[in-house]
Amino acid sequence: DAGVIQSPRHEVTEMGQEVTLRCKPISGHDYLFWYRQTMMRGLELLIYFNNNVPIDDSGMPEDRFSAKMPNASFSTLKIQPSEPRDSAVYFCASSLFGGPGNQPQHFGDGTRLSIL
Amino acid sequence: QKEVEQNSGPLSVPEGAIASLNCTYSDRGSQSFFWYRQYSGKSPELIMFIYSNGDKEDGRFTAQLNKASQYVSLLIRDSQPSDSATYLCAVNRDSNYQLIWGAGTKLIIKP
Repeated sequence: DAGVIQSPRHEVTEMGQEVTLRCKPISGHDYLFWYRQTMMRGLELLIYFNNNVPIDDSGMPEDRFSAKMPNASFSTLKIQPSEPRDSAVYFCASSLFGGPGNQPQHFGDGTRLSIL
Repeated sequence: QKEVEQNSGPLSVPEGAIASLNCTYSDRGSQSFFWYRQYSGKSPELIMFIYSNGDKEDGRFTAQLNKASQYVSLLIRDSQPSDSATYLCAVNRDSNYQLIWGAGTKLIIKP
């Protein structure tokens, strides 16, 4: 089975540019999570969706960040305008409903974002 | 106090020995506990999960959960150099599917 697919794998862009990260969850999974990982802050949950509906976006750092999930097989995380402090690895993960909190999350390979 | 705490390490263990990784959590209502391995430059990879008190074994890996003491541990038997990685502990606090992550313990297996 195909795992979580993220694109691009690497993104280097200049400050102020719009960045769009993409994610395709595992087929049949109904939860999708966006994380950011840095050395300083570790793994941070930004937002998660259930059945394409955003459930909790309290981790989104500021209004420059937005996420959408137009259908069950695709999600985007957008940063506009980007800033150097947004440089990090962004992971997408998905999981399957299976009762209260007992299904593991499966991660994509991540997008390494560098804002110059 | 952090919700999920791990010793950052590095934890250095000789090849063939048992590596013991520990994780404590603050919320007594936590229900599910996960161990992920992350190699440098790679994504977190699920190793094991545990829900009930006691031990759960999978090959060379054993997860141990003690809800009364609020800790979960991961034992790696017959440690190999390929086990060298950062190990992340994650705890599901309630039924909303969010995981609370520890900062990870860096494990080094010395040949």
